[in-house]
Amino acid sequence: DQQVKQNSPSLSVQEGRISILNCDYTNSMFDYFLWYKKYPAEGPTFLISISSIKDKNEDGRFTVFLNKSAKHLSLHIVPSQPGDSAVYFCAASVPGNNRKLIWGLGTSLAVNP
Amino acid sequence: NAGVTQTPKFRILKIGQSMTLQCTQDMNHNYMYWYRQDPGMGLKLIYYSVGAGITDKGEVPNGYNVSRSTTEDFPLRLELAAPSQTSVYFCASSLAGGINEQFFGPGTRLTVL
Repeated sequence: DQQVKQNSPSLSVQEGRISILNCDYTNSMFDYFLWYKKYPAEGPTFLISISSIKDKNEDGRFTVFLNKSAKHLSLHIVPSQPGDSAVYFCAASVPGNNRKLIWGLGTSLAVNP
Repeated sequence: NAGVTQTPKFRILKIGQSMTLQCTQDMNHNYMYWYRQDPGMGLKLIYYSVGAGITDKGEVPNGYNVSRSTTEDFPLRLELAAPSQTSVYFCASSLAGGINEQFFGPGTRLTVL
């Protein structure tokens, strides 16, 4: 049972345009969400996070939006650059239980020059 | 500051062989994790540790063992390798649990034939 769902396996956008990556979750107890980026043959690297008490967090070209009522979050990348081409993972954390992360399957983003 | 290092980078095992995947971090992080990533899938937690001498099972612990005798090292032992253990293995560390950024190693690609 996938508690964190990234329903789009892949996404292709033009350089300079906006990339929107989506993530849905089923567990209403999740209170912290993180996005990681992964290049081939490398480990994931942390990108941005958001607490459930917020609905938006911004860091440079990256913004994460959280809609708790819809159990949905999205990562916006503006403007997209070819170096953003990677797999993006959404992860969620539950209070307690040593706060392990539950991971989505990832979305592969291709930014075309 | 090397971060999280993993050895080896690649390994081919025969069915029934055993091996240890090494993981070391130099950030004095309390938490360490072992994940596996199968093709087209997200990260699955195998084992984790909240400090030296303390380990616990994740989602997919069967066929693996861990130990944490020091803060820096968190080796993963595969006993009696099976084809189902063919995967990419990632070690990660964090200062504390899920709301803290996890830092990943570059991964070990293991094939069991």
